[in-house]
Amino acid sequence: GNSVTQMEGPVTLSEEAFLTINCTYTATGYPSLFWYVQYPGEGLQLLLKATKADDKGSNKGFEATYRKETTSFHLEKGSVQVSDSAVYFCALTDSGLDMRFGAGTRLTVKP
Amino acid sequence: DGGITQSPKYLFRKEGQNVTLSCEQNLNHDAMYWYRQDPGQGLRLIYYSQIVNDFQKGDIAEGYSVSREKKESFPLTVTSAQKNPTAFYLCASSNSGSRETQYFGPGTRLLVL
Repeated sequence: GNSVTQMEGPVTLSEEAFLTINCTYTATGYPSLFWYVQYPGEGLQLLLKATKADDKGSNKGFEATYRKETTSFHLEKGSVQVSDSAVYFCALTDSGLDMRFGAGTRLTVKP
Repeated sequence: DGGITQSPKYLFRKEGQNVTLSCEQNLNHDAMYWYRQDPGQGLRLIYYSQIVNDFQKGDIAEGYSVSREKKESFPLTVTSAQKNPTAFYLCASSNSGSRETQYFGPGTRLLVL
């Protein structure tokens, strides 16, 4: 079945540092890939998505590129802020009804 | 504003009690979902519904029940058969069709007294 593996956390960075959170996937079809962000005590918010190979999703300075050859969708940001501290989830679906999530990566950004 | 609302934000359950979590959406989405999130873990699917009056079990449906009498509403009941109900419960919705984005509500935290 489909699955997502993402980098274990927690990740702690200083403000303005470069961020990478790795995500790799296994899928039988041609999935859409997503990054969601969860702030403490809240639901998940869609951060960005990509629906086909070589697509780049981007939002709020975050980017991720759908790499079919390496089955990866790594999340990057050039300069993190304290307000980026949250838990980040990589996810995929190829049916719309069966979304699979990674375990989440907690990011803490220190001033 | 379009979105998904969940209530209550916190819910306490006594031993042997059934409790119902509310989920309402005004996004005109056909599909709705319930997930359970345990600390430090990802989301696990409890139930989902593609259309009114129809729903399917997810990966961890035991001890839970749902109904879908209206397109906008998808309440989840945590029954007394669920022996470890303490968790964060998230409702989501999406358009029907393949590979659609799911949008989430703010969640309900269920605690056992």
